[in-house]
Amino acid sequence: DVKVTQSSRYLVKRTGEKVFLECVQDMDHENMFWYRQDPGLGLRLIYFSYDVKMKEKGDIPEGYSVSREKKERFSLILESASTNQTSMYLCASSPQQGRNTEAFFGQGTRLTVV
Amino acid sequence: DAKTTQPNSMESNEEEPVHLPCNHSTISGTDYIHWYRQLPSQGPEYVIHGLTSNVNNRMASLAIAEDRKSSTLILHRATLRDAAVYYCILRDSNYKLSFGAGTTVTVRA
Repeated sequence: DVKVTQSSRYLVKRTGEKVFLECVQDMDHENMFWYRQDPGLGLRLIYFSYDVKMKEKGDIPEGYSVSREKKERFSLILESASTNQTSMYLCASSPQQGRNTEAFFGQGTRLTVV
Repeated sequence: DAKTTQPNSMESNEEEPVHLPCNHSTISGTDYIHWYRQLPSQGPEYVIHGLTSNVNNRMASLAIAEDRKSSTLILHRATLRDAAVYYCILRDSNYKLSFGAGTTVTVRA
């Protein structure tokens, strides 16, 4: 069974903390994505990566960075967490020929910044 | 990215078919039409995708207009488990996958 696993389902952090959200996929996919989902705003793409050490900004990269040192792992980093980063974060992966293939999503991490 | 337009919500009765429309008048020749759905408290899951021809799989059918400016996702017999937000997405890149607001489907028992 194919799988995208996010390290935490729920997370509570304090303002100013450095936060790491981890995502691992076991399908040997080239592409990996990070989204955030907020009520009324839908899913918004933060960053994506198409290969190890490669990354591209999505629609809302401000306040975030990413790391992809290994093919199976894609990390989202909040350098200094703020309350407006309280959200549901979703990771996804897809094969290289993404246009003609499906993407697989994790269950999401609900992050609360207090 | 080319945009899609979907109704905000639709209602259906259990065991009846559901037809979800999607307009994409600015679609380009290389855009694939993808559908995903998101059940409550879960990440999105893939439903179906196509380029020009109609497509069928175990979950649904995708009917694509001849001019490709619109498409319809068909759930043949709705169940309570099909209540979800359905997203119609044009994929013009191997990398980027962008979501719109989607259609919230409610299934009445």
